[in-house]
Amino acid sequence: GAVVSQHPSWVICKSGTSVKIECRSLDFQATTMFWYRQFPKQSLMLMATSNEGSKATYEQGVEKDKFLINHASLTLSTLTVTSAHPEDSSFYICSARDTKDRARRAFFGQGTRLTVV
Amino acid sequence: AQSVTQPDIHITVSEGASLELRCNYSYGATPYLFWYVQSPGQGLQLLLKYFSGDTLVQGIKGFEAEFKRSQSSFNLRKPSVHWSDAAEYFCAVGAYNQGGKLIFGQGTELSVKP
Repeated sequence: GAVVSQHPSWVICKSGTSVKIECRSLDFQATTMFWYRQFPKQSLMLMATSNEGSKATYEQGVEKDKFLINHASLTLSTLTVTSAHPEDSSFYICSARDTKDRARRAFFGQGTRLTVV
Repeated sequence: AQSVTQPDIHITVSEGASLELRCNYSYGATPYLFWYVQSPGQGLQLLLKYFSGDTLVQGIKGFEAEFKRSQSSFNLRKPSVHWSDAAEYFCAVGAYNQGGKLIFGQGTELSVKP
């Protein structure tokens, strides 16, 4: 099946620094990728839709300037948490949709645990 | 409003017993329905999906789910639970014209007693 790789799996950073999370589709092309955030013991909330070659579409309440998304190629989207604060600590998961998959399924990465200290 | 409800936050079953996890949805368009499983600290693994056709769908690991349009439900079942099934289970709904954009339920944590 299709594989989506997220890197890093976990990261600890100091408050005020920026952290970049990568989401790669390993064996398929993805014109669209999605970034979710999951708080402990809670569900996944869609943050933004990442579109290859164009600006991301953010969900209501998500700060565009804080969560920078870049989708420069058909296999890579990055999420940068800028000036991170402890409240940004969370589990971030990306998913990617195979452009050629007629079933239009999305495949999930393994997630990134971000801890801001 | 579009939403997915999983009424049970936590369920405990004995190993070997049957399991049913409930999922109800509210969605304006024709829904595509999914069940995912998440182990602690891990990403999501797709158990099964319903797009169209037979309303009883078979998934991996012995799971199945039944789509009931009249009840707006997509409950997940397994005849005999194994200890390794202990995890968090998420029901999700999406629309064909939105590709992989999904709305998730709040999840049901499954514990399995020996």
